[in-house]
Amino acid sequence: QSALTQPASVSGSPGQSITISCTGTSSDVGGYNYVSWYQQHPGKVPKLMIFDVSNRPSGISDRFFASKSGNTASLTISGLQAEDEAHYYCASYTSTNTVTFGGGTKLTVL
Amino acid sequence: EVQLLESGGGLVQPGWSLRLSCVASGFTFSSYAMSWVRQAPGKGLEWVSGISGSGGGTYYADSVKGRFTISRDSSKNTLYLQMDSLRAEDTAMYYCAKVDRISGVLIRPFDYWGQGTLVTVSS
Repeated sequence: QSALTQPASVSGSPGQSITISCTGTSSDVGGYNYVSWYQQHPGKVPKLMIFDVSNRPSGISDRFFASKSGNTASLTISGLQAEDEAHYYCASYTSTNTVTFGGGTKLTVL
Repeated sequence: EVQLLESGGGLVQPGWSLRLSCVASGFTFSSYAMSWVRQAPGKGLEWVSGISGSGGGTYYADSVKGRFTISRDSSKNTLYLQMDSLRAEDTAMYYCAKVDRISGVLIRPFDYWGQGTLVTVSS
C-alpha cells in the first residue's frame, strides 16, 4: 500500500489561493470517487474537510474547494486566512480493500 | 455531542501485546462503521483497520494484517484493537474514528475522531 503523493509544503499570503495536489493511481484516486481531505492543526485531531472528491460537510467554509482529474485530486483554499495554516491530508479507497492516506502537506500562511 | 475516548496505550517491549479501547457516546454506536487510524511521531496519518456497524466486516492494512484484530461491543458502545507481536514501527498515536454510515467502512469518510492514545514499542 503506497501512500498517495502530496507536496511536502505549500505557502501563500492572506487573501491568496493555494492548491494542494494528491496523486495516486488508477487503483485508488483515479479509480473511485472516494477521496477525502482532512485538516490537522499542530497537536490537534484531524478534521474532515472534503468527502467524495468534492463534497463539503456542513460547517465547512466554501473557501475550500476540491476536485479530481485522472489520478490526481486537488484541494484549493481561496481567501487564505491565518487559521488555515495546518497540515492537510488526502485519503482514498483502494482496489485492495484498504484506505490509503497521502503523506501530508504543510500549509504556511505567510 | 459525539465523543470518542480512547484508552489502553502505553510503553511495551517488541513482541508484546496491547488492547486499545474506544468508548463512544453521543450517537447510536451500532449504526456506524468505525476505524482505527495511527500517526507516528512527526509523521502522517496511516489507516490501520476498519469494521462495519454490524461487526460482520473487518478490514486491515497490510502492515498490521495477521497481528492486529479489530472488534466492537455494541452493548458497551466500545471499539477495540487487539495488537499482538508489536514492533517498533507500530509506535504511534492511535485514533479511533467514526465513519459517517453503518456500512462502506472503506469508502466513507471519518467524520469524528477521538483524541488518541499513544502506543510506544521499545526495548
